[in-house]
Amino acid sequence: AQSVTQPDIHITVSEGASLELRCNYSYGATPYLFWYVQSPGQGLQLLLKYFSGDTLVQGIKGFEAEFKRSQSSFNLRKPSVHWSDAAEYFCAVGARGGADGLTFGKGTHLIIQP
Amino acid sequence: NAGVTQTPKFRILKIGQSMTLQCTQDMNHNYMYWYRQDPGMGLKLIYYSVGAGITDKGEVPNGYNVSRSTTEDFPLRLELAAPSQTSVYFCASSEQRVTEAFFGQGTRLTVV
Repeated sequence: AQSVTQPDIHITVSEGASLELRCNYSYGATPYLFWYVQSPGQGLQLLLKYFSGDTLVQGIKGFEAEFKRSQSSFNLRKPSVHWSDAAEYFCAVGARGGADGLTFGKGTHLIIQP
Repeated sequence: NAGVTQTPKFRILKIGQSMTLQCTQDMNHNYMYWYRQDPGMGLKLIYYSVGAGITDKGEVPNGYNVSRSTTEDFPLRLELAAPSQTSVYFCASSEQRVTEAFFGQGTRLTVV
């Protein structure tokens, strides 16, 4: 079965600084990979996804993520964060040949300092 | 565009009571899912459906039941509420299996 690890429970970044959120997955083949964002009291919104092809994917709100097969990672990045980026971020994996539904990491809570 | 709609948004239940969480999507998606979200634990799949009349268990199905009589609706039933079912419940749908899922706003359930 697939699994997802987000090593950082909380991350604090100053407004305007760069951001990298880590995600490692465990799966025997190339999975489908996703990053979702959840604002307080809201549902999850898709930021970006990787299915195949170019390993650097662009998403909404200025986010990007890079799939690195050798490291089993799919880290999320943003060059300059805004206060409105404060939220919970979830990495998720879908198994091409496995069970239905996505497997989620436990999330990283992003705090933006003024 | 409504997308995925969940009702109610909040609910308090007493131990042993039952209730149904409603979920409707207007995107004509075949795949629908119920997840629960507990603090610091991410989202766990409760049940899913690949089309009308077809449902299957996810990772944490105990204490829940589902039905899928139409493409649009996927209600989640709690028969005998327990404190362990205090959680935020999310319904989601997708066009194909393991592709991006579209989420509802969630139902915050407290069992006391």
